[in-house]
Amino acid sequence: AQTVTQSQPEMSVQEAETVTLSCTYDTSESNYYLFWYKQPPSRQMILVIRQEAYKQQNATENRFSVNFQKAAKSFSLKISDSQLGDTAMYFCAFWGAGNMLTFGGGTRLMVKP
Amino acid sequence: DTGVSQDPRHKITKRGQNVTFRCDPISEHNRLYWYRQTLGQGPEFLTYFQNEAQLEKSRLLSDRFSAERPKGSFSTLEIQRTEQGDSAMYLCASSFLGAAGDTEAFFGQGTRLTVV
Repeated sequence: AQTVTQSQPEMSVQEAETVTLSCTYDTSESNYYLFWYKQPPSRQMILVIRQEAYKQQNATENRFSVNFQKAAKSFSLKISDSQLGDTAMYFCAFWGAGNMLTFGGGTRLMVKP
Repeated sequence: DTGVSQDPRHKITKRGQNVTFRCDPISEHNRLYWYRQTLGQGPEFLTYFQNEAQLEKSRLLSDRFSAERPKGSFSTLEIQRTEQGDSAMYLCASSFLGAAGDTEAFFGQGTRLTVV
């Protein structure tokens, strides 16, 4: 079974600065996907960024980028130029042969003005 | 189509009562998932359907839980004889599995269940 670990329960960052959220995972599979989801307070979960394990190039999506280290089983999210609207819970998730998402425990990010 | 919708958004029930939740996925999506999320935790997988077939069930899904997707469109999740430990947010998600693989999962806003 896969496990996903987010070791930072809470983080804060000043508006316009950069923050990195950590995620590690454990799996014996070689083909899989990794995701970061954002869950704003009382709102639905939305996809931030996606990484295919077979791709060596790190995914980027505007201000969001990842550092994918397959050998180390690490998948961190970097948010550049943080905005107040980035305040949310962030979940790292694994998708493999089981056809289901396995989530980490989440990191609560607060962006301060 | 505005996305995955769930009904009701909130449900308060007395212990021992039965409750049923509904999920309407994005119309062209053939996969539908149910997750449970307790406060401050990440969502946990419960079950998923491909079209009308229920393909996987978590061990978290006790005999009191049943899910259906009768025509491969909307789905219902029923909890019988509710217990206080069932209090949680129940999330539905959908995706499309095609020749090119699976799309991302799109989530609904969830149904928050409180058992008193």
